Amino acid sequence: DIQMTQSPSSVSASVGDRVTITCRASQGISSWLAWYQQKPGKAPKLLIYAASSLQSGVPSRFSGSGSGTDFTLTISSLQPEDFATYYCQQANSFPALTFGGGTKVEIK
Amino acid sequence: EVQLVESGGGLVKPGGSLRLSCAASGFTFSSYSMNWVRQAPGKGLEWVSSISSSSSYIYYADSVKGRFTISRDNAKNSLYLQMNSLRAEDTAVYYCARVGGTWLLRGTLDYWGQGTLVTVSS
Repeated sequence: DIQMTQSPSSVSASVGDRVTITCRASQGISSWLAWYQQKPGKAPKLLIYAASSLQSGVPSRFSGSGSGTDFTLTISSLQPEDFATYYCQQANSFPALTFGGGTKVEIK
Repeated sequence: EVQLVESGGGLVKPGGSLRLSCAASGFTFSSYSMNWVRQAPGKGLEWVSSISSSSSYIYYADSVKGRFTISRDNAKNSLYLQMNSLRAEDTAVYYCARVGGTWLLRGTLDYWGQGTLVTVSS
């Protein structure tokens, strides 16, 4: 099974900050990686797919990069509505999917 | 507009059964693979099961294999999850989610329902 490890588990940041979240796969997954945002009490929302493709309607301050085993999600200028938990998910072994443990972005 | 609406959650005793439903609208349901994903209280996301568009391919996480059964009725635009032999550790919000329809969205969950809470407790 492919394991996904996210870091950090939480990050405190201010509005306007640049935030970077890392996701590492236990084996190579090419570019089969997605990022989701989840706010309390809500369903996850797809942000990025295929490692770097922005889902329709998602602000351009979100970007993804990486391939193989190491991936990053970057929020270029944190906005108040971006405070949430972010999850990576590997799609290489689809239909068996694996999520990272999550990264909570909190207000500093 | 794509909509996924889960129902059927509730309180059940250990060893009991529950059937979850997910009503889909706003897209051609019969053309998409569907999944169930769960989230225990205060925890992360866990993939549970996947079913292909025509039900030809079905997969389960090891944690539910032999106890849960995924199915769909394309005529009714509905997805189901039959959960038997429920355990306390199955307590979670259960989401149904659609797999994206393009090659690049393969294995990616592009739409999610609002979730339904299943609580397994005596």
